[in-house]
Amino acid sequence: QVHLVESGGGLVKPGGTLRLACSASGFPFSDYYMSWTRQAPGKGLEWISYISNTGGTIYYADSVKGRFTISRDNAKNSLYLQLNSLRAEDTAVYYCARVFSPVRSDLEVFDIWGQGTMVTVAS
Amino acid sequence: DIQMTQAPSSLSASVGDRVTITCRASQTISDYLNWYQQKPGKAPKLLIFGASTLQSGVPSRFSGSGSGTDFTLTISSLQPEDFATYYCQQSYTTLFSFGQGTKLEIK
Repeated sequence: QVHLVESGGGLVKPGGTLRLACSASGFPFSDYYMSWTRQAPGKGLEWISYISNTGGTIYYADSVKGRFTISRDNAKNSLYLQLNSLRAEDTAVYYCARVFSPVRSDLEVFDIWGQGTMVTVAS
Repeated sequence: DIQMTQAPSSLSASVGDRVTITCRASQTISDYLNWYQQKPGKAPKLLIFGASTLQSGVPSRFSGSGSGTDFTLTISSLQPEDFATYYCQQSYTTLFSFGQGTKLEIK
């Protein structure tokens, strides 16, 4: 069945780096746009990045622009998020999600989510 | 950027109640409005897209309405499994902002 599994989270010091991965299975990964959303402890959802199926179109939230980099390897069915210059406020569960257009091409939803990976930024 | 504001932030209700959650966008977003349900420790789940279309497998007691800037999510008769946090999300722009969430608790 359709499945997304994140990995790579952990404890990192302020200013440090981390690379998250999201492994996809059960669907033609190279056909789908993908996204990253995060959730700080006890807080709401914050969308942070989006990538087209070829990697040619990428968007970031202002809160991570210039520090985080989204990428993908369609041959490996994998999505990545490189986190640089980490701050305490980046502490969160990071979710990858599949972007899907159920009825028309310009209406996009996040229809499949992974279970999340926790990133803790602390000294 | 488009800001999404939900009301209320929390809500206490009983099994069988009808509840309504509202979501307001800071600018018009047509029907580019989606709703998600999240239970503690779990990933969000897509409930409704395009303001009013139920995702496959979602019970018919859930419904959505609205267009422009004002939207509602209604649960017609609360079931025990519906106690969760609900988020609206705009997909009018590719800066997919979420509302702050509405936590639905058992009274």
